[in-house]
Amino acid sequence: SQTIHQWPATLVQPVGSPLSLECTVEGTSNPNLYWYRQAAGRGLQLLFYSVGIGQISSEVPQNLSASRPQDRQFILSSKKLLLSDSGFYLCAWSVDGGSYNSPLHFGNGTRLTVT
Amino acid sequence: QKEVEQDPGPLSVPEGAIVSLNCTYSNSAFQYFMWYRQYSRKGPELLMYTYSSGNKEDGRFTAQVDKSSKYISLFIRDSQPSDSATYLCAMSPGDSNYQLIWGAGTKLIIKP
Repeated sequence: SQTIHQWPATLVQPVGSPLSLECTVEGTSNPNLYWYRQAAGRGLQLLFYSVGIGQISSEVPQNLSASRPQDRQFILSSKKLLLSDSGFYLCAWSVDGGSYNSPLHFGNGTRLTVT
Repeated sequence: QKEVEQDPGPLSVPEGAIVSLNCTYSNSAFQYFMWYRQYSRKGPELLMYTYSSGNKEDGRFTAQVDKSSKYISLFIRDSQPSDSATYLCAMSPGDSNYQLIWGAGTKLIIKP
C-alpha cells in the first residue's frame, strides 16, 4: 500500500531563518506531488505541484520554493522566513492530475510557526 | 467574495442526529465536487466525490449538488462521535487536482 511521510510535525523558526520541509511517498511510482498551505479560516492554498523529477509548477508567487530531486521526494524551502509564512503545510500525492479517479492523499502536515 | 464559502462552525450535535454540512460557490463553471474529512492534526482524506448535479450515497453519507443554486451539501445520518472532524468541500471546473478551490472547512462536534 502507498504511504506518505512528512516531517517534522511541528517547527518553530525565527524570522529570517531558512526552511526545509521534506515529504516522501512509498509504494507508488511517478506520483503527482503537491504542497499546500492551510491557514485558519481559509481554504487550502496550492503552493506547488510536480508531475515528475525536476518539474515544478508554482501557483502563488511568494517567499517559498520547491524541488523534486527524486521521484518520490518533494521538498519545500525558503531562504529567509517571514512572519506571514506561518501556517500548516501539507504535502499530498495523486496517481495523476485528474481528480475524478485520482484523489489527493495527504500527509499529516507540518505546523510552522515563525517568531 | 470568496469563490467557495463554508460556515466554519463549530457545529455541535448529539450522537445519532442527522448532520447537514454545506458550501456555496460563485463560479458556475464548477463541475467536480468533493468532500474531504480532516481529523485534528491530520491531513484531509477524501470522503465523497460527485460530478455535476445530483445525489451520491455511500453508507451513512450522502452528497448532494444543486448547480442551479450553486450549493452543495453533505448529509451524515446516525452521526457518531468518530465523525467529529473538520469537513472541507473542494470543487473545480475540470477533472484536475490542480484546479481545486477549497472551502475553509466546517468543524463538526458529535456529542455522545
